[in-house]
Amino acid sequence: DAGVTQSPTHLIKTRGQHVTLRCSPISGHKSVSWYQQVLGQGPQFIFQYYEKEERGRGNFPDRFSARQFPNYSSELNVNALLLGDSALYLCASSLQGAGGNFGPGTRLTVL
Amino acid sequence: GENVEQHPSTLSVQEGDSAVIKCTYSDSASNYFPWYKQELGKGPQLIIDIRSNVGEKKDQRIAVTLNKTAKHFSLHITETQPEDSAVYFCASNSGAGSYQLTFGKGTKLSVIP
Repeated sequence: DAGVTQSPTHLIKTRGQHVTLRCSPISGHKSVSWYQQVLGQGPQFIFQYYEKEERGRGNFPDRFSARQFPNYSSELNVNALLLGDSALYLCASSLQGAGGNFGPGTRLTVL
Repeated sequence: GENVEQHPSTLSVQEGDSAVIKCTYSDSASNYFPWYKQELGKGPQLIIDIRSNVGEKKDQRIAVTLNKTAKHFSLHITETQPEDSAVYFCASNSGAGSYQLTFGKGTKLSVIP
């Protein structure tokens, strides 16, 4: 079975722009979580979605939003990008609980 | 909120020796404690996890122990191999029923051949 897939792999944006990151969970997994990993740090929780409903939100500003589609794939949107948003964005899928299987991530660079 | 402390930040061992990484957590309601291995340029990979109703769990060369009273848990890797070299993260589920993981800052393990 395919693991968690994320697209794009790398992305370069400038300050003030908007970005959309995509995640496809493992087949059968209904929960998707998003994490931000700054270089040299552990991942930090942004959102969890289960059955298209938001079940948890971390300490991130309203510029960050997400949604989950009927096929359980998910998008993470970030508006008005700041230099500090540069990070590896990770998606994890699970049957329903915390954590689970992580994808390879999307490396976002904001210039 | 939950706070997870991880030590050491770097660890070098000779091939064949054992490696131990320790974590403490703050929320006594936390009940799920996974460990992840992250290789350069890849996402974290779940290697073992433990729930609060269990004190120890083993999977081949990897074991995790949990002390709920002291609120700490540890990862033990025996007979280390060069391919064990990576960054290891501990995490907890931020309280019973929480859907988020709080991660430690990571331990960079180097296994010297």
